Amino acid sequence: AQSVAQPEDQVNVAEGNPLTVKCTYSVSGNPYLFWYVQYPNRGLQFLLKYITGDNLVKGSYGFEAEFNKSQTSFHLKKPSALVSDSALYFCAVRVNTGGFKTIFGAGTRLFVKA
Amino acid sequence: GAGVSQSPSNKVTEKGKDVELRCDPISGHTALYWYRQSLGQGLEFLIYFQGNSAPDKSGLPSDRFSAERTGGSVSTLTIQRTQQEDSAVYLCASSLGLGSETQYFGPGTRLLVL
Repeated sequence: AQSVAQPEDQVNVAEGNPLTVKCTYSVSGNPYLFWYVQYPNRGLQFLLKYITGDNLVKGSYGFEAEFNKSQTSFHLKKPSALVSDSALYFCAVRVNTGGFKTIFGAGTRLFVKA
Repeated sequence: GAGVSQSPSNKVTEKGKDVELRCDPISGHTALYWYRQSLGQGLEFLIYFQGNSAPDKSGLPSDRFSAERTGGSVSTLTIQRTQQEDSAVYLCASSLGLGSETQYFGPGTRLLVL
């Protein structure tokens, strides 16, 4: 069965420090991988995606993610966190195995302290 | 508007009543998705449409849930005989196509079943 795991419910970092939000997946076939962010009382916004090619993907707001096929991971990173990055982050995977169902992780809440 | 819109934004209903939730996708987007987000939970896939057809209905929680899409545009998610466990935020997303295309989310409909 396809699945996405975000092992941390919450991540706390200080402003200016690097941040990492972890994501691992289990799928059969080649995955399309996505990160979305949900700010309080707002809808989900697309951050970045990996389809093929360069394993390092750069996205919105200075975020980037690295696709690691051997570790089946797609961790979200940012070199220097901002207080405004505090939000709920979702990792998602989509595989064409007779359909295009998208599986989302449970989400990781990021708190950036000033 | 340019984004995905959903109505109503909030819905309070009594147990046993039927509700209809509406989604207007971005113009030109052929794929449309419905998700459910319960309090403190991740996104649960419900159903997706490619055009007017729904190839994968496996995510619908029960036969009380149904969805349709007409004219390749607006979609309606119907919940019959609502139960308290149906209380959640129902999110709609659309994309240009399936596969690697980015999904753009609406603001959601917050459903409360009393």
